[in-house]
Amino acid sequence: GQNIDQPTEMTATEGAIVQINCTYQTSGFNGLFWYQQHAGEAPTFLSYNVLDGLEEKGRFSSFLSRSKGYSYLLLKELQMKDSASYLCAVRNPGYSTLTFGKGTMLLVSP
Amino acid sequence: GAVVSQHPSWVICKSGTSVKIECRSLDFQATTMFWYRQFPKQSLMLMATSNEGSKATYEQGVEKDKFLINHASLTLSTLTVTSAHPEDSSFYICSARDSPSNTEAFFGQGTRLTVV
Repeated sequence: GQNIDQPTEMTATEGAIVQINCTYQTSGFNGLFWYQQHAGEAPTFLSYNVLDGLEEKGRFSSFLSRSKGYSYLLLKELQMKDSASYLCAVRNPGYSTLTFGKGTMLLVSP
Repeated sequence: GAVVSQHPSWVICKSGTSVKIECRSLDFQATTMFWYRQFPKQSLMLMATSNEGSKATYEQGVEKDKFLINHASLTLSTLTVTSAHPEDSSFYICSARDSPSNTEAFFGQGTRLTVV
């Protein structure tokens, strides 16, 4: 089975940096995704990691350590519009389905 | 990026009636589509995987006779909630992928279903 843990809520200030952690215990692993989801909307793709290390994309970076079952999403220069839920998802064996964590609600304040 | 359109965005129906939700890939052919359900402040829970031209694969605990999935073409999958009850009220989201090895699946806008 798959078990994915991430904090329920986080708060940060505009312009700051925030790191959202995700740990997973899975029976198989074929990559880890991060999605952003605003309330009442569908998730939007942020990043994908399949090898260990850091992937940087603008203000967003994602890190993966497969040996530790650990990933984080790093958001820099926070903006008010970054207030959203951030979902960590593991792709299951066979390149088929995704298992999502419960999401971390990030609130960015002025 | 690829576009997935889901319709309707929201629907209110009476208990006991059926509701159909459509998921279309607008600029690519989707060999596989996924249907998720999300309750408030909860994660996306995969309901079923549908492959064009074949029967859907349902996740454990999802009633296939209640949640009918049809994937008749490479650009359209439908989810029909039959004999809806208030506990079926939820946010239903589809996603589509153009090939099994593609890293990214694209999500529709979601459908807010309220059963009264």
